[in-house]
Amino acid sequence: QVQLVESGGGVVQPGRSLRLSCAASGFTFSSSVMQWVRQAPGKGLDWVALISMDGIDEKYADSVKGRFTISRDNSKNTLYLQMNSLRVEDTAVYYCARGAGWTIDYWGQGTLVTVNS
Amino acid sequence: EIVLTQSPGTLSLSPGERATLSCRASQTVTNNYLAWHQQKPGQAPRLLIYTASRRATGIPDRFSGSGSGTDFTLTISRLEPEDFAVYYCQQSSYSPLTFGQGTKVEIK
Repeated sequence: QVQLVESGGGVVQPGRSLRLSCAASGFTFSSSVMQWVRQAPGKGLDWVALISMDGIDEKYADSVKGRFTISRDNSKNTLYLQMNSLRVEDTAVYYCARGAGWTIDYWGQGTLVTVNS
Repeated sequence: EIVLTQSPGTLSLSPGERATLSCRASQTVTNNYLAWHQQKPGQAPRLLIYTASRRATGIPDRFSGSGSGTDFTLTISRLEPEDFAVYYCQQSSYSPLTFGQGTKVEIK
């Protein structure tokens, strides 16, 4: 079955960097668009970024453009999110998600990122 | 950016009742690339409906989606205890992809 397991979350100070990983299994990773979605505490879902199957095409929310970078390693079945210049408002649970096209069809369980001093 | 507005914000109903949730888009969602996701407290979301009206794998037939263009509806024909949750619509026609703010279905 499809499994998406995020890791790399934690507490970080404003302005610092963090890299999230998502280990995928149970499907052909290289044939799937992948995405990151976040959810601030007590708030709704907020789309962050997506990457094409071959890793060439990337899309970002305006709120993270220029600070976050999505990438993938199809040989390792792993998705990444490099987060630089973190802000307090980036505090959230970050979900890895598989896309059928751009439609999310499976979600990981999420990893919590807390940005504070 | 396509803004999705969900209504109502909260729906208070009893088990066995019918729930009707609305999602309105600020511009046309092409190809009806509109999905509905359910989220229970402390859990990740899960896909219920995609392309406006197609049920995802394993989703009971009491869940149905309809609509096109800018107006979409999620209907739960008879609420079961496990259906009390927050529901989000999401469009995947244009980047940036966007979610509605959610509708909470709570027990009356």
